[in-house]
Amino acid sequence: NAGVTQTPKFQVLKTGQSMTLQCAQDMNHEYMSWYRQDPGMGLRLIHYSVGAGITDQGEVPNGYNVSRSTTEDFPLRLLSAAPSQTSVYFCASTLGGGNTEAFFGQGTRLTVV
Amino acid sequence: GNSVTQMEGPVTLSEEAFLTINCTYTATGYPSLFWYVQYPGEGLQLLLKATKADDKGSNKGFEATYRKETTSFHLEKGSVQVSDSAVYFCALSARGGTSYGKLTFGQGTILTVHP
Repeated sequence: NAGVTQTPKFQVLKTGQSMTLQCAQDMNHEYMSWYRQDPGMGLRLIHYSVGAGITDQGEVPNGYNVSRSTTEDFPLRLLSAAPSQTSVYFCASTLGGGNTEAFFGQGTRLTVV
Repeated sequence: GNSVTQMEGPVTLSEEAFLTINCTYTATGYPSLFWYVQYPGEGLQLLLKATKADDKGSNKGFEATYRKETTSFHLEKGSVQVSDSAVYFCALSARGGTSYGKLTFGQGTILTVHP
């Protein structure tokens, strides 16, 4: 059982470049989320999905796009990377229906130079 | 809005010492409360949870009690080990509707345990 899989694990981008962080889960969870982790600030919610075709903004959505065409996949797109987006990104999924435990991927460490 | 406040870190202890990491929250209604742990180079793992007032979550010797009157969920362990060295996050999730899986985190507390 793979759980939540994120790729890549590490990435260096130049300012202005675009990229997509991939996230896939094999637990048939309805809810999926993207967080960024910055020192001293815990994890902050970027975008959120309650099911295929439905997404919503979190606390820090600017500069990021998401879509959810299938239950399994929830990619995060950076259209024009900025140094302020240097962070560690985590994808998470939750079953829902009263079960609130979130399962996290291993994270993607992104550096924008 | 919802918020979680954890005690300032880092925390450094000797093996077999008693651990307390304070966590208080602000939320409407009755949120679920969690402690997550992050070992070096890894993602977050659920350590324990509590879903209603006075519930006690426990796992691997760690405990936390959901105190609605003080809006707190302090993490405790009676005797820490070197292998407990990690970052600990307190978090909450509101109930119902689109709130499932939308976690609000504290800033994290780095714990280092020395032999």
